Amino acid sequence: QQQVKQSPQSLIVQKGGISIINCAYENTAFDYFPWYQQFPGKGPALLIAIRPDVSEKKEGRFTISFNKSAKQFSLHIMDSQPGDSATYFCAASSGGSYIPTFGRGTSLIVHP
Amino acid sequence: DTAVSQTPKYLVTQMGNDKSIKCEQNLGHDTMYWYKQDSKKFLKIMFSYNNKELIINETVPNRFSPKSPDKAHLNLHINSLELGDSAVYFCASSPLSPWAYNEQFFGPGTRLTVL
Repeated sequence: QQQVKQSPQSLIVQKGGISIINCAYENTAFDYFPWYQQFPGKGPALLIAIRPDVSEKKEGRFTISFNKSAKQFSLHIMDSQPGDSATYFCAASSGGSYIPTFGRGTSLIVHP
Repeated sequence: DTAVSQTPKYLVTQMGNDKSIKCEQNLGHDTMYWYKQDSKKFLKIMFSYNNKELIINETVPNRFSPKSPDKAHLNLHINSLELGDSAVYFCASSPLSPWAYNEQFFGPGTRLTVL
C-alpha cells in the first residue's frame, strides 16, 4: 500500500524555469514532511522539510507548499539550474515512528 | 571526513552465495538504518538499530541479517542470494531515535548485482 503518492515520475524543465513536484498522502497521522534530493551514484540527502503547522517553507530557491485539508504538499524549485538535475523524493512520517515513508521519486532534468 | 561510509560500493555475485555489506558512521549518531532501493528507485526501510539494539525490522526475508557491533557500525549479511536481491542498499544514520523528528544521513550506497 503506497501511502505517499508522488508525481510526476519525470520532469524536464528549461534553465530558469520553475520545477513543481507534487505529493499526496493518506495517513492523517503524518506530521513531518521532508524532501530528499538524490544525485546519480549518491545517497539521498535532506533538502528541506515542513511540519503541518505552517503552509509554506522557503529555503533559497526551494519552497514547500503544504495543504493539510487536501493532504497534499509540493516542492517548487524556482530559477531551476542544470545542477538541480537529480531525483527528488517526498516523504512523510508520524509520531510513533519518524522513519519516513518515501514517495516513488521524480527524476528532474534541467536543460541548459 | 566521510560521514556515512559503505563498503563495497559494487558487489557482483552468483545466486546462492552469501555476502556482507559494511557500514560505518562517524557522526556520533545513535540510530542506523538499512534501506533497499530497487531498479525503479523506490526506497524501502529494512532495519533500524538504536544504540546497537534492533528496533525496527520490516518485512524482510530472514536471509537478511543485520549486525551492529557498536553504535558506529551496522553491517548487513545476506545468505543464499537471489536474483530479486539485486538493488542498491543504503545505510543511513540519524542523531536521535526513530521516534523523533530527525534528518536521515545516507551513505553512498552499495550496488548489489546477483547473476
